[in-house]
Amino acid sequence: QQQVKQSPQSLIVQKGGIPIINCAYENTAFDYFPWYQQFPGKGPALLIAIRPDVSEKKEGRFTISFNKSAKQFSLHIMDSQPGDSATYFCAARRQAGTALIFGKGTTLSVSS
Amino acid sequence: GAVVSQHPSRVICKSGTSVKIECRSLDFQATTMFWYRQFPKQSLMLMATSNEGSKATYEQGVEKDKFLINHASLTLSTLTVTSAHPEDSSFYICSATPGTANTEAFFGQGTRLTVV
Repeated sequence: QQQVKQSPQSLIVQKGGIPIINCAYENTAFDYFPWYQQFPGKGPALLIAIRPDVSEKKEGRFTISFNKSAKQFSLHIMDSQPGDSATYFCAARRQAGTALIFGKGTTLSVSS
Repeated sequence: GAVVSQHPSRVICKSGTSVKIECRSLDFQATTMFWYRQFPKQSLMLMATSNEGSKATYEQGVEKDKFLINHASLTLSTLTVTSAHPEDSSFYICSATPGTANTEAFFGQGTRLTVV
């Protein structure tokens, strides 16, 4: 059973567009929700993270929106650039010291 | 931010041999480290949780005798793939979190294992 469901699987936007990636979870014990960016052949790098007591968090061009009642959260990338072309993973974790559970990933392509 | 270093970044080995992958937390101590495996165009799948000074906890379906994990110090965990076969070819990634609070998890750069 997939604990974190991510969509879409792939996304193509033009430069300057605002790609949106969505994730949903079932386990209400999750209390930490990060987004990671991964380039081919590299380990994932943290972009931004949120906890369920906050509905929105913005860092630079990246924004997380969090809907606790719907058990959904999403990543918005403002003014997307070709350099943002990568695979993005949402994740969730129950408590400190436990492993992150990842969504299946979204491959983003930003065309110039 | 904190740094997790993984070595080697790439390794090619013959079928039947064993390969050791190291994961080090360079500027913090990690009582727990995690090992993930990632097949091409797929997500990171948790293999095991490595606990300093005790046995690792393996996820369902992961053979503990094939994937040996040792976490002998607070800054080093190793994953040994024993008797490797071509189906073990994958991208292996480790992760560690400083402290015990619900803080950021840092990932190594990954190890591309190719078994020929």
